[in-house]
Amino acid sequence: AAGVIQSPRHLIKEKRETATLKCYPIPRHDTVYWYQQGPGQDPQFLISFYEKMQSDKGSIPDRFSAQQFSDYHSELNMSSLELGDSALYFCASSLAGQGSNTGELFFGEGSRLTVL
Amino acid sequence: GENVEQHPSTLSVQEGDSAVIKCTYSDSASNYFPWYKQELGKGPQLIIDIRSNVGEKKDQRIAVTLNKTAKHFSLHITETQPEDSAVYFCAASNNQGGKLIFGQGTELSVKP
Repeated sequence: AAGVIQSPRHLIKEKRETATLKCYPIPRHDTVYWYQQGPGQDPQFLISFYEKMQSDKGSIPDRFSAQQFSDYHSELNMSSLELGDSALYFCASSLAGQGSNTGELFFGEGSRLTVL
Repeated sequence: GENVEQHPSTLSVQEGDSAVIKCTYSDSASNYFPWYKQELGKGPQLIIDIRSNVGEKKDQRIAVTLNKTAKHFSLHITETQPEDSAVYFCAASNNQGGKLIFGQGTELSVKP
């Protein structure tokens, strides 16, 4: 079965540079979530999109922005990179349930960003 | 907002023994509680989940229990195998947006 696809898998940037991560959700999934996971930490929620509209916002720095496109893929744009931005960035997708059900989240393999 | 606490942070068991990981949550509106297994350098993989209208769910060697009154839920792995070694995360969410709030993770080591 198709899974969540993230690219690139690895990315090395210098301080103050910009980076863009891409996420392709599972086909027919309408919701995308971005998470940041530091070494030895749990994933921290950054932002989510439902049907191309931002649906929730977590601890995402102002230097970061994201959007979901008409084909449901999403991009996370990170500017003025700092050493502390080095982390694994995960995208997850789900199919919003009908009624009051919460859809299961399926995660990609992540993009490892290293800021030097 | 929701806060999820997970214990223990590390757990070492002998192959064949059982392993139990416990989580508590703070938001009584949370109604969905998944468990994820994460291997080194990989993304979290959903292994089992439970919704608030159910008290227990089992899938082969894995079971999850939920106590809504006490706001805690647990993962039980029986007959552990070396390939069960990984970091396990509990999480909670509610109907509003579906985002997951994760516990701190438990590093499980199963010794042959």
